Amino acid sequence: AQRVTQPEKLLSVFKGAPVELKCNYSYSGSPELFWYVQYSRQRLQLLLRHISRESIKGFTADLNKGETSFHLKKPFAQEEDSAMYYCALESNYQLIWGAGTKLIIKP
Amino acid sequence: GAGVSQTPSNKVTEKGKYVELRCDPISGHTALYWYRQSLGQGPEFLIYFQGTGAADDSGLPNDRFFAVRPEGSVSTLKIQRTERGDSAVYLCASSSSTTETQYFGPGTRLLVL
Repeated sequence: AQRVTQPEKLLSVFKGAPVELKCNYSYSGSPELFWYVQYSRQRLQLLLRHISRESIKGFTADLNKGETSFHLKKPFAQEEDSAMYYCALESNYQLIWGAGTKLIIKP
Repeated sequence: GAGVSQTPSNKVTEKGKYVELRCDPISGHTALYWYRQSLGQGPEFLIYFQGTGAADDSGLPNDRFFAVRPEGSVSTLKIQRTERGDSAVYLCASSSSTTETQYFGPGTRLLVL
């Protein structure tokens, strides 16, 4: 079955420290993966998708098919990065979502 | 330009009542999606439209849930005989095509008492 797992409900790091938000997936085929972010009192918005291979707001994510992972990374966390982060997998035009990780950046 | 809008932003109803949730997609977007998000969980797919037709309604939990998009723009999600378990945030998203980025609305928070 297709599934997205985000093992951490909450991740708290200090400003300036590296951040890694974990995402593992289960999918038969070539996956299309996304990271969405939801800042406080705002709507869900796309952060990045693996096919674009962009770096957005300093975040990157690499698809590792061997480990079936798509972890989100940023070398130096900023306070404005505090938000809910969701990993999602596209299957038949619908998105399958992880439960999300709340990222808190401490000053 | 204007993003996806959803009305109402909050809806409180009693068990057994009927509710309608509205979604206005970004102008020109042909694909429209409904998701449901329960507390502490990620969104869960309900249905998506390509134009006026429901291309995939496999996520609708049961026949109390129904959605329409009669003119290929605005969509309404209809829930009959609401149950307390229907309480959740209902999210709508639209995209210019099924392969493009989905843009989300702010959601409608439904509370069934």
